[in-house]
Amino acid sequence: KAGVTQTPRYLIKTRGQQVTLSCSPISGHRSVSWYQQTPGQGLQFLFEYFSETQRNKGNFPGRFSGRQFSNSRSEMNVSTLELGDSALYLCASSLASGTPNSEQYFGPGTRLTVT
Amino acid sequence: AQSVTQPDIHITVSEGASLELRCNYSYGATPYLFWYVQSPGQGLQLLLKYFSGDTLVQGIKGFEAEFKRSQSSFNLRKPSVHWSDAAEYFCAVGRNDMRFGAGTRLTVKP
Repeated sequence: KAGVTQTPRYLIKTRGQQVTLSCSPISGHRSVSWYQQTPGQGLQFLFEYFSETQRNKGNFPGRFSGRQFSNSRSEMNVSTLELGDSALYLCASSLASGTPNSEQYFGPGTRLTVT
Repeated sequence: AQSVTQPDIHITVSEGASLELRCNYSYGATPYLFWYVQSPGQGLQLLLKYFSGDTLVQGIKGFEAEFKRSQSSFNLRKPSVHWSDAAEYFCAVGRNDMRFGAGTRLTVKP
């Protein structure tokens, strides 16, 4: 079974631009969560989608948004990019949400650099 | 509020020696606990998880962890470390909105 895939793997953007990252979960997984990883703040939860609905949201500004499609693929969007948005963005998928079979499997991440 | 503390930022052990990585958590309800490993430039790989039941859980690559509710701890252990275990290890608590510790970087000396 294929793992979680994320595209693109690397991205360079300029301050003020917007960016869209994509995540394809493991087949059959209905929950997708997004995390931001930086050297200073570590791994931080952005949001979770389950069956096309946002279930949980972390403490990030409204510039960060996401959505999930009917095939469980998910996208996250960051508008008006700031230098501090440079990070590794990780997507994780799981079968369910909030239950004992909801362990998350991570993709390789998208490395976003904002200049 | 849920939180995770990994007291050790960096640990160095000799190959073949035993390993214990510490993790303390704060969580309002029955926690779901996880250990993940991350190699440089890679995503996170799940080593093991605890939901309920037996407090000693076995994972992949010879790792195990013990849940101790009285100490709010979930320490990761391995009896004999291999050079390929060098990586960063993260403890996490939660469900689909996981909170991660800051990570412990493991260096393995030959």
